[in-house]
Amino acid sequence: DGGITQSPKYLFRKEGQNVTLSCEQNLNHDAMYWYRQDPGQGLRLIYYSQIVNDFQKGDIAEGYSVSREKKESFPLTVTSAQKNPTAFYLCASCLGQATGELFFGEGSRLTVL
Amino acid sequence: SQQGEEDPQALSIQEGENATMNCSYKTSINNLQWYRQNSGRGLVHLILIRSNEREKHSGRLRVTLDTSKKSSSLLITASRAADTASYFCATVDSGGYNKLIFGAGTRLAVHP
Repeated sequence: DGGITQSPKYLFRKEGQNVTLSCEQNLNHDAMYWYRQDPGQGLRLIYYSQIVNDFQKGDIAEGYSVSREKKESFPLTVTSAQKNPTAFYLCASCLGQATGELFFGEGSRLTVL
Repeated sequence: SQQGEEDPQALSIQEGENATMNCSYKTSINNLQWYRQNSGRGLVHLILIRSNEREKHSGRLRVTLDTSKKSSSLLITASRAADTASYFCATVDSGGYNKLIFGAGTRLAVHP
């Protein structure tokens, strides 16, 4: 089945460690996104990528990094510079500008101990 | 920055009743979308309404858009317990790429 797969679903990290969240899609979508969601709040855009080897910062990119070496993959690294990384992270993809509908993964919950 | 703001923040109703959620936004848009999120899960796209449309239906969902008031509403008719979820509106800024900005959502609880 086509879709977006995020892993791991749950992740615990010690302060000062970098962690990488995986996002893979087999929908042949050009655009991919990372959002952060805090309890009881909406989604905030971290990074997005329109095509391979290109990405742009969203509203809260500080302390995060991404790469887009393959169309199917858009991993997010939460670095030690991110001051409050505990959150629910959602990856999404979109066919293109024409449709606008985002397809989401099931999310990764990161907890910093 | 949050573009869409939903109202109310939380809504509690009985099965069979209708649920109405509102969304206001600030800038010109290409389209407005509604998404649903079950607790601890990813978001699922419900419906998209373009800036030149005023109303759209999908099953038990009815969405309206008033660009003069920069607002939209989502109506769920004959609600079911399975409709319990958070509902978010999201807008695409007319000036930029396909970058969706989400509101804080409405938490809907439908009681049997």
